Amino acid sequence: KQEVTQIPAALSVPEGENLVLNCSFTDSAIYNLQWFRQDPGKGLTSLLLIQSSQREQTSGRLNASLDKSSGRSTLYIAASQPGDSATYLCAVGRGGADGLTFGKGTHLIIQP
Amino acid sequence: DAGITQSPRHKVTETGTPVTLRCHQTENHRYMYWYRQDPGHGLRLIHYSYGVKDTDKGEVSDGYSVSRSKTEDFLLTLESATSSQTSVYFCAISERESSTDTQYFGPGTRLTVL
Repeated sequence: KQEVTQIPAALSVPEGENLVLNCSFTDSAIYNLQWFRQDPGKGLTSLLLIQSSQREQTSGRLNASLDKSSGRSTLYIAASQPGDSATYLCAVGRGGADGLTFGKGTHLIIQP
Repeated sequence: DAGITQSPRHKVTETGTPVTLRCHQTENHRYMYWYRQDPGHGLRLIHYSYGVKDTDKGEVSDGYSVSRSKTEDFLLTLESATSSQTSVYFCAISERESSTDTQYFGPGTRLTVL
C-alpha cells in the first residue's frame, strides 16, 4: 500500500525567505506526482504535476523536483509572500483510472 | 476554474439517516472521484468512476455507495449515516488516463452526523 509522508507538518517563516517542503512515498512505481495548495475552507488547487519520467517542473516562484528511485519530492518556494500561506499537499498517482494517494500536508504560514 | 459544483455545501444530519451528496461537472470529463478529508488522515479515496455506470471502490469505501447515470453527475450515498462519516467530502474530475492529467477538485461538502 502506497504511503505518502510530508515533512514538516507545519512551518512558519518570515516573508521573503526561500523554503523547501518535503514529500516522500513508499512505492516508487508511480505514474505522476502532484503538488496542490489548499486554502482554509476551500477545495484543492493544482500547482505542479511531474510525470514519472521527469525530474522537475517549474511555475513562477515554485519548483518541484522528483527523485522516483529514492521516493522523494521537494517543493521549493522562492521569495515567499504572505499570500503563499496555505496548506500544501503532495499526492502520487499510480496510473489508470485510480485516484491519488495524498500526504497529510504541510501547513505554511508566511509572516508579513 | 474547472466547472465542478457540489451540493449541498453543508449538511447536518442524524445517525441512521440516508444522505446523498451530488457532484456536477460541466467539463465532460470521463473520470470522477469522491474523497473524504479528515484531520490526521489527509484526503482518502472513497469511490471513483471511469465512465457512465462504471464505478469502483477506493481505500475507504465501506458504508458508501455511488452512482453515475450521466457523464456530468456523480452521486455519493451514505445509506445509514454514522458519526464516523462526519467529514469534508471532495469531488474531483480528470479528463484522461494520462500521466499529464491533473485532477480538478470541487469546493467540498462539509457533513456533520450527530
